[in-house]
Amino acid sequence: GNSVTQMEGPVTLSEEAFLTINCTYTATGYPSLFWYVQYPGEGLQLLLKATKADDKGSNKGFEATYRKETTSFHLEKGSVQVSDSAVYFCALTGRAGGTSYGKLTFGQGTILTVHP
Amino acid sequence: DAGVTQSPTHLIKTRGQQVTLRCSPKSGHDTVSWYQQALGQGPQFIFQYYEEEERQRGNFPDRFSGHQFPNYSSELNVNALLLGDSALYLCASSLVAGEVVSEQFFGPGTRLTVL
Repeated sequence: GNSVTQMEGPVTLSEEAFLTINCTYTATGYPSLFWYVQYPGEGLQLLLKATKADDKGSNKGFEATYRKETTSFHLEKGSVQVSDSAVYFCALTGRAGGTSYGKLTFGQGTILTVHP
Repeated sequence: DAGVTQSPTHLIKTRGQQVTLRCSPKSGHDTVSWYQQALGQGPQFIFQYYEEEERQRGNFPDRFSGHQFPNYSSELNVNALLLGDSALYLCASSLVAGEVVSEQFFGPGTRLTVL
């Protein structure tokens, strides 16, 4: 079955530091890949996505590239802010019409804390 | 345009009781998925409803059941509650058209505590 593995957390950074959160996946076929963010006390928000190999998803300064050869989708940001403090989830879904119909498989999440 | 809404926000139950959680999808969406998020974990897929039928199910026991209404809203029912059912329950809505799945939009969740 499908699975997602994220780097162990939590991650603590100073403001303006560079961020990388690693994500690797196991899936059949050609999954779509996502990063979701969860702020304290809230539900999940889609941060970015990529639907095919070599696609780069980007949003709010965050980027991730779909690497099929290494089955990875690492999240990066060049300069983090205190407001980026949240839990980040890597996720994948297969193609509708197969067996997934958009079912999301999530990693365990990485807690990011950014200090001023 | 209202997003995904869920009710109630918080709920406290005791072991053995039954609970019903509710979800209204984003306007224009026809598919509702439910996820369980235990503390410190990623969400786990429970099941998905489309055209008022359960279309796909995750690895959850039959104590977990659901329903989708003609207006696309959905309920999640959990019977014979266990302590381990304590979690944040997330509803997500989407629109599926053939091979194309729209982005899933999540609600704020219902925090269930079982004592």
